[in-house]
Amino acid sequence: GENVEQHPSTLSVQEGDSAVIKCTYSDSASNYFPWYKQELGKRPQLIIDIRSNVGEKKDQRIAVTLNKTAKHFSLHITETQPEDSAVYFCAAIHGSSNTGKLIFGQGTTLQVKP
Amino acid sequence: EAGVTQFPSHSVIEKGQTVTLRCDPISGHDNLYWYRRVMGKEIKFLLHFVKESKQDESGMPNNRFLAERTGGTYSTLKVQPAELEDSGVYFCASSQELGFDEQFFGPGTRLTVL
Repeated sequence: GENVEQHPSTLSVQEGDSAVIKCTYSDSASNYFPWYKQELGKRPQLIIDIRSNVGEKKDQRIAVTLNKTAKHFSLHITETQPEDSAVYFCAAIHGSSNTGKLIFGQGTTLQVKP
Repeated sequence: EAGVTQFPSHSVIEKGQTVTLRCDPISGHDNLYWYRRVMGKEIKFLLHFVKESKQDESGMPNNRFLAERTGGTYSTLKVQPAELEDSGVYFCASSQELGFDEQFFGPGTRLTVL
């Protein structure tokens, strides 16, 4: 069935280091891949997304890469700061853009140590 | 602009009781989604409304769950009777369009069934 695998489940880095979170998806028809950040006690919020016609997208310290052939996409955070500490979820839209069903990964708890 | 709101924020009930969760989407958003996160696992899709119609209810676990969106505004999710495995955080999200459009999440309702 449709699923998204996310690794690692926990990640601890020193402030200033980079963090990478990886996801693989099973539905070859998926064409939209958002990343959500959930800080403790708050709601999940979209931080970046990528469409299947693009291989990479950057927004300041955050970048996402997509390899459609391998069904693999990754989140890269550079120069990490303590406020980056949160749970990060990758997701893939089920099927094509005519649906709204998001399939989420299991989440990665990122801890940035000052 | 007010975000997605959910009520209550927490609910503790006994097995066999009934609970109703409410979601108010962002004004003007036709698409409303319910998701659930159970004990540190992935966020799982439950169902999707377009206005007052159920577009996709493939994620509803069983017939103890009933979702409604009368009038196409707010939505309710009723669990009757509640079981222990229903415990988790129930998120509501809304979007203006389908597919590539951002889904805005509410803060969630934490449901504990004892």
